Amino acid sequence: GAVVSQHPSRVICKSGTSVKIECRSLDFQATTMFWYRQFPKQSLMLMATSNEGSKATYEQGVEKDKFLINHASLTLSTLTVTSAHPEDSSFYICSQFMAGSAYNEQFFGPGTRLTVL
Amino acid sequence: GDSVTQMEGPVTLSEEAFLTINCTYTATGYPSLFWYVQYPGEGLQLLLKATKADDKGSNKGFEATYRKETTSFHLEKGSVQVSDSAVYFCALWDTGANSKLTFGKGITLSVRP
Repeated sequence: GAVVSQHPSRVICKSGTSVKIECRSLDFQATTMFWYRQFPKQSLMLMATSNEGSKATYEQGVEKDKFLINHASLTLSTLTVTSAHPEDSSFYICSQFMAGSAYNEQFFGPGTRLTVL
Repeated sequence: GDSVTQMEGPVTLSEEAFLTINCTYTATGYPSLFWYVQYPGEGLQLLLKATKADDKGSNKGFEATYRKETTSFHLEKGSVQVSDSAVYFCALWDTGANSKLTFGKGITLSVRP
């Protein structure tokens, strides 16, 4: 299957700082990317969907100004958690949708563990 | 709205034991159903899928049948291996203007030698 990488895999930051998480597709071009958030022992919750070159579509309850998503190219999407607070501590996972594949073919990154002190 | 319910975990089995992980769903439309697996340190991988009633998805010895009458998609394997130790997620993709994957909570499977 296709390979999706995330960087960093783990980050610890102080409250009030901003953190950027990168999601890269290593061997295909992704027209659509998804960002999920996962709390311990909870399911993955979709945060937003982005298409290359356009603004992200955020799910209800997700703050657009808090979680900035940039999908600048077909191989890179970034999620920036602005002014992070302890309640933002979570596991963030991206997935990418391969152009030309079946509508339900998503490839997931390994996730980024964010801890805000 | 759509939802997926998985049995509570974790599950610990001995090698070669029979595995069943229950999954039920609610959906407004006619969803496609999936099982994803996440091995330690890796991203979620599609294990198998079924797109219509009575379809059976299968891969790596795992099977799941789309049961519309019971709104279920239980995952089974006849003989588990240590290498099957992972987190398993049931998910659905409902058709419609706002299609997206809806996941269950996931269940951790540990297989001991």
